[in-house]
Amino acid sequence: GIQVEQSPPDLILQEGANSTLRCNFSDSVNNLQWFHQNPWGQLINLFYIPSGTKQNGRLSATTVATERYSLLYISSSQTTDSGVYFCAGGLITGGGNKLTFGTGTQLKVEL
Amino acid sequence: SAVISQKPSRDICQRGTSLTIQCQVDSQVTMMFWYRQQPGQSLTLIATANQGSEATYESGFVIDKFPISRPNLTFSTLTVSNMSPEDSSIYLCSAIPRQGGGYTFGSGTRLTVV
Repeated sequence: GIQVEQSPPDLILQEGANSTLRCNFSDSVNNLQWFHQNPWGQLINLFYIPSGTKQNGRLSATTVATERYSLLYISSSQTTDSGVYFCAGGLITGGGNKLTFGTGTQLKVEL
Repeated sequence: SAVISQKPSRDICQRGTSLTIQCQVDSQVTMMFWYRQQPGQSLTLIATANQGSEATYESGFVIDKFPISRPNLTFSTLTVSNMSPEDSSIYLCSAIPRQGGGYTFGSGTRLTVV
């Protein structure tokens, strides 16, 4: 099955700093998503981004499908950005649409 | 996007007992899934919940241990059977909206087996 690697595993930022999180896939995917899990465990879908670039406020994501990686950019970080960021990928086929999750990046934003 | 109500939010159970977790979606969805997240770990897919038929289980998960039902397009249950402390995890359901796009997740069930 697809292997998903995320880096860095842990990240500590001062409030206001920018960061880039990376996700590499072992095989081609046509379904790629980024999630944020807050400290209370709730998973929020940030981006559905099988290719190209999307932006949502201070967050943006870029996927280069041909090179099997995706990047999540966080600008002007805030303490509420703390939590775990997961990328997940898979193949949408006639028979299924399941995601394999990466190991996550644990982010802590400090004042 | 779809909103998923999952319950219970947490429970403490005795070993050897079973717990059924419910997920209700506020709109029709195409596919529903059940995931497990062990403490400090990533998410692992347990199974795809198929409407009106048996669920499709991933390697390492079996129907006798994790029976799943999905009687209609918006509702699914996962039962954790004959529980042991190793089953202590967060269990999450997710769904794909009918219009496609990103997964939505329920708020999770934090299970502790003592």
